[in-house]
Amino acid sequence: EDKVVQSPLSLVVHEGDTVTLNCSYEVTNFRSLLWYKQEKKAPTFLFMLTSSGIEKKSGRLSSILDKKELFSILNITATQTGDSAVYLCALMGSGDKLTFGTGTRLAVRP
Amino acid sequence: GAVVSQHPSWVICKSGTSVKIECRSLDFQATTMFWYRQFPKQSLMLMATSNEGSKATYEQGVEKDKFLINHASLTLSTLTVTSAHPEDSSFYICSADGSTGIYGYTFGSGTRLTVV
Repeated sequence: EDKVVQSPLSLVVHEGDTVTLNCSYEVTNFRSLLWYKQEKKAPTFLFMLTSSGIEKKSGRLSSILDKKELFSILNITATQTGDSAVYLCALMGSGDKLTFGTGTRLAVRP
Repeated sequence: GAVVSQHPSWVICKSGTSVKIECRSLDFQATTMFWYRQFPKQSLMLMATSNEGSKATYEQGVEKDKFLINHASLTLSTLTVTSAHPEDSSFYICSADGSTGIYGYTFGSGTRLTVV
């Protein structure tokens, strides 16, 4: 059974700090790893990673995948209060299904 | 881009009644849609995979007779919670494979169900 573990479970930082969120996984048949941001409603897509070592970047957010060590990180630089959310890591394995981690709850204080 | 509409966004119902939630792909055809459930401060748990024109595939532990899924067209899947109980209160979210070819990445806005 595919498994996704995220850490830390929660994090409180101040505006301007840089944060690193971790996602480790176990999978039988890896297809891709995805990051989502969830505020009050449904998740919004951030990144999809399929290859090791290739950084995906969008503004202050970036992510990278290590398929050998089976983990991914999501970095947020110069955090803002609007970054406060739950960040979900999801694994796409066999059967085209997404397996989600429990998420990291990030709170950015002014 | 791919847009998925979910309705209603929230619903309150009495124990024992049934509630239907709709998930529509607005600008693309979705042969497959996914239904998730999310309890407070927990992650999304896949309930079932809805396939157009055929029976849904349910995850282990999800009662197919309680959570009825119908995917009668390429743009609409419905989830009906039958004989709802307070423990069914949760956030239900659908997802569909978007026209961009990224499979299952577009989520609806979710439905918060409260059973009283």
